[in-house]
Amino acid sequence: ETGVTQTPRHLVMGMTNKKSLKCEQHLGHNAMYWYKQSAKKPLELMFVYNFKEQTENNSVPSRFSPECPNSSHLFLHLHTLQPEDSALYLCASSQPGQQETQYFGPGTRLLVL
Amino acid sequence: KQEVTQIPAALSVPEGENLVLNCSFTDSAIYNLQWFRQDPGKGLTSLLLIQSSQREQTSGRLNASLDKSSGRSTLYIAASQPGDSATYLCAVIRLTGGGNKLTFGTGTQLKVEL
Repeated sequence: ETGVTQTPRHLVMGMTNKKSLKCEQHLGHNAMYWYKQSAKKPLELMFVYNFKEQTENNSVPSRFSPECPNSSHLFLHLHTLQPEDSALYLCASSQPGQQETQYFGPGTRLLVL
Repeated sequence: KQEVTQIPAALSVPEGENLVLNCSFTDSAIYNLQWFRQDPGKGLTSLLLIQSSQREQTSGRLNASLDKSSGRSTLYIAASQPGDSATYLCAVIRLTGGGNKLTFGTGTQLKVEL
């Protein structure tokens, strides 16, 4: 186990629904990340949080809203999504430093109908 | 903009064979390079991290090399086993004020057959 958990593991939602993805890390890290993995495309970085502050927003549409209440928890709030938002959403955490390695959760498989 | 390419996209080999996975990147101004493995339905597991000042790293049957000047990295897997079947991703790492940023390739899907 990597020490990074994500819930739910699978989610099906309609375009008018509002849902949230949750990520929790038990590694004592200070940086957390959201990635999107679509079929046949590379993982795309969405958001980065360092010490609970957002330091990166990779031009993500506003229908995705992240929240980081503390260094151990990261949420991704979803509303009025589109079918093309269907993907695997991965959370990761790391402890900033020279040998920094990001540890990934298992992901949430999202299907937007 | 950094682009990372992995060749081949898919590979099928018999058990016991040695194999090489390739990763190329367009911007050589990288901080580190990392190889991951992803099993179906699961997240990523880090295999090897090579710092920009290093040329290779080894862990068990895995050896990763890095040639920054040519924008290339290879992952060598010796004596492949069915348990090695997975998707292998390479990521180049850039240091920013907000932490390290990873740019991933599309991966090589490896199948090791009995």
